[in-house]
Amino acid sequence: DAGITQSPRHKVTETGTPVTLRCHQTENHRYMYWYRQDPGHGLRLIHYSYGVKDTDKGEVSDGYSVSRSKTEDFLLTLESATSSQTSVYFCAISESKGASGYTFGSGTRLTVV
Amino acid sequence: AQSVTQLDSQVPVFEEAPVELRCNYSSSVSVYLFWYVQYPNQGLQLLLKYLSGSTLVKGINGFEAEFNKSQTSFHLRKPSVHISDTAEYFCAVSGQSGGSNYKLTFGKGTLLTVNP
Repeated sequence: DAGITQSPRHKVTETGTPVTLRCHQTENHRYMYWYRQDPGHGLRLIHYSYGVKDTDKGEVSDGYSVSRSKTEDFLLTLESATSSQTSVYFCAISESKGASGYTFGSGTRLTVV
Repeated sequence: AQSVTQLDSQVPVFEEAPVELRCNYSSSVSVYLFWYVQYPNQGLQLLLKYLSGSTLVKGINGFEAEFNKSQTSFHLRKPSVHISDTAEYFCAVSGQSGGSNYKLTFGKGTLLTVNP
């Protein structure tokens, strides 16, 4: 999808284990975002990045951490997965603040058992 | 901060009928507005956006939306829907000013189901 790839596409993991999701872009966009999508909640922002090593929290950041050591990669880590983190996770990129809108990846479906 | 309310969680319509999906927003600053579409098991795709200028915005697949500042609304319309328009539609808003207002805030989505 327009130079943005998420991996893995599907994952099942056990409660209490750490999990890392990867978002890779080839567009050289400055801004990257992680959202989770749950029925009845729409998309909620977990963390975002406005440059290499520059990240900040979104509205549902508890239990998640992120890292961005290169422009093209934005990693989301669930430090100790819980069943409430079962969700579909979307990465998005944007060229600029606000006006350009976002390009989304295809999503990662994570199940915590 | 911004917020978005999509007034209908589900909208069923018959093929070739017109449809309107409603979106209201709240913001203390001027905004950019977006509509995204999500087909089953896919990511979100941009349908259209309002940045400035004409309040009537045309997007892909025959959709259009009208920005109404006084009513803080950005309703999505299509004069004649097809089966292939069945999908979930998300309204989103971002602030034009600086700080952290630039992040997109999404509504909870409206599931459009087009029946034959």
